[in-house]
Amino acid sequence: TQLLEQSPQFLSIQEGENLTVYCNSSSVFSSLQWYRQEPGEGPVLLVTVVTGGEVKKLKRLTFQFGDARKDSSLHITAAQPGDTGLYLCAGETPTGGKLIFGQGTTLQVKP
Amino acid sequence: DTGVSQNPRHKITKRGQNVTFRCDPISEHNRLYWYRQTLGQGPEFLTYFQNEAQLEKSRLLSDRFSAERPKGSFSTLEIQRTEQGDSAMYLCASTRIQEGDEQFFGPGTRLTVL
Repeated sequence: TQLLEQSPQFLSIQEGENLTVYCNSSSVFSSLQWYRQEPGEGPVLLVTVVTGGEVKKLKRLTFQFGDARKDSSLHITAAQPGDTGLYLCAGETPTGGKLIFGQGTTLQVKP
Repeated sequence: DTGVSQNPRHKITKRGQNVTFRCDPISEHNRLYWYRQTLGQGPEFLTYFQNEAQLEKSRLLSDRFSAERPKGSFSTLEIQRTEQGDSAMYLCASTRIQEGDEQFFGPGTRLTVL
């Protein structure tokens, strides 16, 4: 069974602080995706990482894919209240393309 | 195209009743996925279609659950004899067939079983 362990599950920080969310697995995925989900809505894709060792930046967000394509991290610099939400990592399986999601990280950024 | 749509957005039902949800994917997308998400957790895969063929079903999909995609366009997910444990958000996503293509999610149907 493929599993993705995401940590931490909850994070409450002050505006301006930095944070890192981790996503780990014993399985190799075709790609790893990071989503953000607002209450009552479906997840929205932030980034897809495909190549081992890949680093992608999206404004204040930096995403890394591990060399072995089993783990990933999301780093947010100078967090803002607008970053508040549920962050999900998801691994794409080689057959069928279904996504295996981590448990999610609920981020609260206080002004 | 306005994206993936799901109806209804909310459904409250009594235990033992049947419910049906509908998903309309993005028009050129030939893969359609159903996921279930309980409060505070990430979505869990239920099943997926490639065109009209249902290619995989999760063990989570008990005999009370059935999904169809009769013409390879919209899909329905039916739950028979609902139980309180079925209460969750049911998400639909669609994508093109190529690996690595983004899955676009609908807003979900929130089911509450009383």
